[in-house]
Amino acid sequence: GENVEQHPSTLSVQEGDSAVIKCTYSDSASNYFPWYKQELGKGPQLIIDIRSNVGEKKDQRIAVTLNKTAKHFSLHITETQPEDSAVYFCAASRASKIIFGSGTRLSIRP
Amino acid sequence: NAGVTQTPKFQVLKTGQSMTLQCAQDMNHEYMSWYRQDPGMGLRLIHYSVGAGITDQGEVPNGYNVSRSTTEDFPLRLLSAAPSQTSVYFCASSYGQATYEQYFGPGTRLTVT
Repeated sequence: GENVEQHPSTLSVQEGDSAVIKCTYSDSASNYFPWYKQELGKGPQLIIDIRSNVGEKKDQRIAVTLNKTAKHFSLHITETQPEDSAVYFCAASRASKIIFGSGTRLSIRP
Repeated sequence: NAGVTQTPKFQVLKTGQSMTLQCAQDMNHEYMSWYRQDPGMGLRLIHYSVGAGITDQGEVPNGYNVSRSTTEDFPLRLLSAAPSQTSVYFCASSYGQATYEQYFGPGTRLTVT
């Protein structure tokens, strides 16, 4: 079946450094790629998304890139801060179906 | 707006018992969905609905039933709970299908003994 692979599963970076999380998807018909942040005890919350007709999107310290040919997309967080510590999920969707990656636990070291 | 609400927050069931997880949204969203979250497996889609009276299966539908009689409510039923259904369950809604931002509820932690 269709799947989304996400790497790494855990990531620890020094405060102020950058963090990169990568995902690959298998369904070539996917056309929407969101990233969600989940804090402890809460539901996931959208932080950025990108559609298949766009290669890159940026929102302050967060950016996402999409390579449709290779079927992979990445989340980049620059100048990391303690409040960036959380679990991050990528997803790929089309129409009524969405598949999530397995998540990345990001820790920011002081 | 309350957004997406889920009840209960925690539940313990014995094997074979049945229960309904409640989900409601006040954003007039047509698309609603249920996910389960297990360690190391991310979020997996159980069932979804594109509008009142319309439901369909996701990745892991076995053991779960849903119905959508109103735009606001989308309950998830476990007919005969099994230990494999121990998980955290999230309900979500969105403006239009799965290709728009999903608004998640706070989750229900279910334990089946």
